[in-house]
Amino acid sequence: GAGVSQSPSNKVTEKGKDVELRCDPISGHTALYWYRQRLGQGLEFLIYFQGNSAPDKSGLPSDRFSAERTGESVSTLTIQRTQQEDSAVYLCASSRDSNTGELFFGEGSRLTVL
Amino acid sequence: AQSVTQLGSHVSVSEGALVLLRCNYSSSVPPYLFWYVQYPNQGLQLLLKYTSAATLVKGINGFEAEFKKSETSFHLTKPSAHMSDAAEYFCAVIQIQGAQKLVFGQGTRLTINP
Repeated sequence: GAGVSQSPSNKVTEKGKDVELRCDPISGHTALYWYRQRLGQGLEFLIYFQGNSAPDKSGLPSDRFSAERTGESVSTLTIQRTQQEDSAVYLCASSRDSNTGELFFGEGSRLTVL
Repeated sequence: AQSVTQLGSHVSVSEGALVLLRCNYSSSVPPYLFWYVQYPNQGLQLLLKYTSAATLVKGINGFEAEFKKSETSFHLTKPSAHMSDAAEYFCAVIQIQGAQKLVFGQGTRLTINP
């Protein structure tokens, strides 16, 4: 597609439920990143994928968080047993490769945990 | 590990005045440095980047930044602020070698007063 597409744009869930957030990167981009942006705060790195290499999961805050990517296409971020502190905007970005730092961001998925 | 520090979470200037947003970085190896901008209700977009060529980098909308190795700084400037510059600005760093995730600062919210 023309840009990075994320869905849903808004998700309201109850504490304890699982949620899945989807990211569709720009075609041909081998690198894909997930960041979290809490209200009034900066971007917190979560995970990144580069081609067929093992993903860098160093930013995932707990084992309730996981992400998958199929080849160089869609990625899904899953949060199990959501907590109120998980409320944030989850941003996905893609890049031609991970060496450039030139990321193209989606508009984010706003997650609210009640 | 690389990191960036943005001095001032909020900056307010008058329309037509100089804009100066401060960023200092920490990196054990030569870095690439970036400024991203997030306009209200929009995704992040790249404003400008430093990739070890010219130390003074020009970006979109009249912004520029200067890489100063001796000061480990990459401050963003614009000579004359416009109302449309109101946004959140993020400085970011990536190491050329080693870990290649893009690390963001906490962001600076720029307000333009008429």
